[in-house]
Amino acid sequence: DSGVTQTPKHLITATGQRVTLRCSPRSGDLSVYWYQQSLDQGLQFLIQYYNGEERAKGNILERFSAQQFPDLHSELNLSSLELGDSALYFCASSANGVNQETQYFGPGTRLLVL
Amino acid sequence: AQSVTQLDSHVSVSEGTPVLLRCNYSSSYSPSLFWYVQHPNKGLQLLLKYTSAATLVKGINGFEAEFKMSETSFHLTKPSAHMSDAAEYFCVVTLSGNTGKLIFGQGTTLQVKP
Repeated sequence: DSGVTQTPKHLITATGQRVTLRCSPRSGDLSVYWYQQSLDQGLQFLIQYYNGEERAKGNILERFSAQQFPDLHSELNLSSLELGDSALYFCASSANGVNQETQYFGPGTRLLVL
Repeated sequence: AQSVTQLDSHVSVSEGTPVLLRCNYSSSYSPSLFWYVQHPNKGLQLLLKYTSAATLVKGINGFEAEFKMSETSFHLTKPSAHMSDAAEYFCVVTLSGNTGKLIFGQGTTLQVKP
């Protein structure tokens, strides 16, 4: 158990809908990351937050947004969902959000868009 | 730009024989490199990391990797495969600076035959 929790584990929804994925980092970690894993794109970095502020952005669509709250949990919002958004979404956390740190991954949220 | 290439998408070994998973990286500076493992329907777990200290890095479960700058390689090895090693393995590089963004290779599926 990494100490990172993600809810829900599974999510089934329809095209055009909006969903929210939630992540709680390990105790003491200030930085949260979101990654998307799909069969065609592999594992891709979406976005990083550090202590409530956005620190780095990757291949995140404009339909997607995220935030990190004062209690350090994070939410990833996916809107106007398309079939191609079906994927496994991972959250990870690390202590200070810098490049040599180990990131601890949650179990993921599996999203299926029908 | 930083990138990693995993040279084999699928590796099959017999239990008790050595494992070699190959990774080449591209980086404009001395990188931080990681190997992560993903067991079926599980999150990602760190096996080991290189952060410019010793070039031979030992990880969990008997795995190790050697950083070779002259060959831009970071191959993962294990002397004797166990059935429980069957999983997907990702070679990962990070960007420089104050961000923990991970760039993943495409993954290598390790099959271990009895």
